[in-house]
Amino acid sequence: QVQLVQSGTEVKRPGSSVKVSCKTSSDFFRNYALSWVRQAPGQGLEWMGEIVPFIDTPAYARRFQGRVTITADTSTSTFYMELTGLTSEDTAVYFCARDVFKAATGLGWLDPWGQGTLVIVSS
Amino acid sequence: SSELTQDPAVSVALGQTVRITCQGDSLRNYYAAWYQQKAGQAPLLVIYGENSRPSGTPDRFSGSRSRNTASLTITGAQAEDEADYYCSSRDTTGHSWVFGGGTKVTVL
Repeated sequence: QVQLVQSGTEVKRPGSSVKVSCKTSSDFFRNYALSWVRQAPGQGLEWMGEIVPFIDTPAYARRFQGRVTITADTSTSTFYMELTGLTSEDTAVYFCARDVFKAATGLGWLDPWGQGTLVIVSS
Repeated sequence: SSELTQDPAVSVALGQTVRITCQGDSLRNYYAAWYQQKAGQAPLLVIYGENSRPSGTPDRFSGSRSRNTASLTITGAQAEDEADYYCSSRDTTGHSWVFGGGTKVTVL
């Protein structure tokens, strides 16, 4: 049973950075990619980026390029998403999710998801 | 285009059938996945591919695809199906994920 366990609520000042963690298992690290998705209050889901740990090449959504960094720590089987230059518009719940995509067939999905991490940006 | 379009809200009487649609150019080349999200919870995958259900998804949930449209059908809707439903697929480049805006399903 794949489980993704995220770090707790963060309260940040505008202009600062936040780093959210997502802990998995060593088996997950060897076999799967991981995506980060966020959801602002009352809004929909927004994909931020993904990483394939055994390739270690992240890909980011265009609107977050330059502000987001996704990394993977092999020693602890933990993924990280760091977002810089925070504004109130970054107040959201941030989710990690196992990322499965089979390019040959066009088949893909995100499952399971972590429990979410609330990031509040406020002065 | 990297957009997926969903109707914002639909309602269905208890025990009746409701179909939720998702339109976008990316769906011509990539399958949609459907997620159910209840208030305060993480999204839950309910349908992926043409019409595949993860273990745990009731068989009243089904999926289909035609040209640039994917559909999620709930046959015999139950009170516990009341939730937001999101579609997603790879975008037209295949390099990122894109989500629809979500459909709020109300069971009357």
